[in-house]
Amino acid sequence: AQTVTQSQPEMSVQEAETVTLSCTYDTSESDYYLFWYKQPPSRQMILVIRQEAYKQQNATENRFSVNFQKAAKSFSLKISDSQLGDAAMYFCAYRSALGGGSNYKLTFGKGTLLTVNP
Amino acid sequence: EAGVAQSPRYKIIEKRQSVAFWCNPISGHATLYWYQQILGQGPKLLIQFQNNGVVDDSQLPKDRFSAERLKGVDSTLKIQPAKLEDSAVYLCASSLRASGGAFSNEQFFGPGTRLTVL
Repeated sequence: AQTVTQSQPEMSVQEAETVTLSCTYDTSESDYYLFWYKQPPSRQMILVIRQEAYKQQNATENRFSVNFQKAAKSFSLKISDSQLGDAAMYFCAYRSALGGGSNYKLTFGKGTLLTVNP
Repeated sequence: EAGVAQSPRYKIIEKRQSVAFWCNPISGHATLYWYQQILGQGPKLLIQFQNNGVVDDSQLPKDRFSAERLKGVDSTLKIQPAKLEDSAVYLCASSLRASGGAFSNEQFFGPGTRLTVL
């Protein structure tokens, strides 16, 4: 079974600064997808960024980028120019790329609570 | 496009009572997921439907939890009788289909129902 570990329960950053959230995972599969989700106090899970394991290039979405190290099974999220609206719980998630409906569930880490200080 | 709808947003019950949650996925989405998110943890899949059939219910406590997705559209999750440890946020998510790459399989989440069992 796959596991996802987020070792930072809480992080804080000053507005306009850069912060990196860590995530490691364990899997025996070679093809999979990794995600970062944001969950504000409203509880609505919002997809921030995704990475396909077969792609060597790190994904980027505006101020959000990832550092994907497949051999190390590491998938960190970098937030540049942090804004007050970035404050939320961030979850790292894994999804298999293998066929079969039950493989498409998301396995989440425990989350990192990000505080943005003005 | 309307998102995933869930009701109620909050529910407080006494232990041993029963409760039901409702989810209406995004129109046209074949796959529906129910996740349980206990405070301080990431969401955990309870059950996954493909149209009106169950794909994965391996983590569903079947002695007290039940779920159905009649007509392959909206879904109801029921707990009977509730225990203190069932206090959690119950998230519903849907995706266009279960197969395919990360983009076609992207899961969209509803706002969740916060259940408190006293």
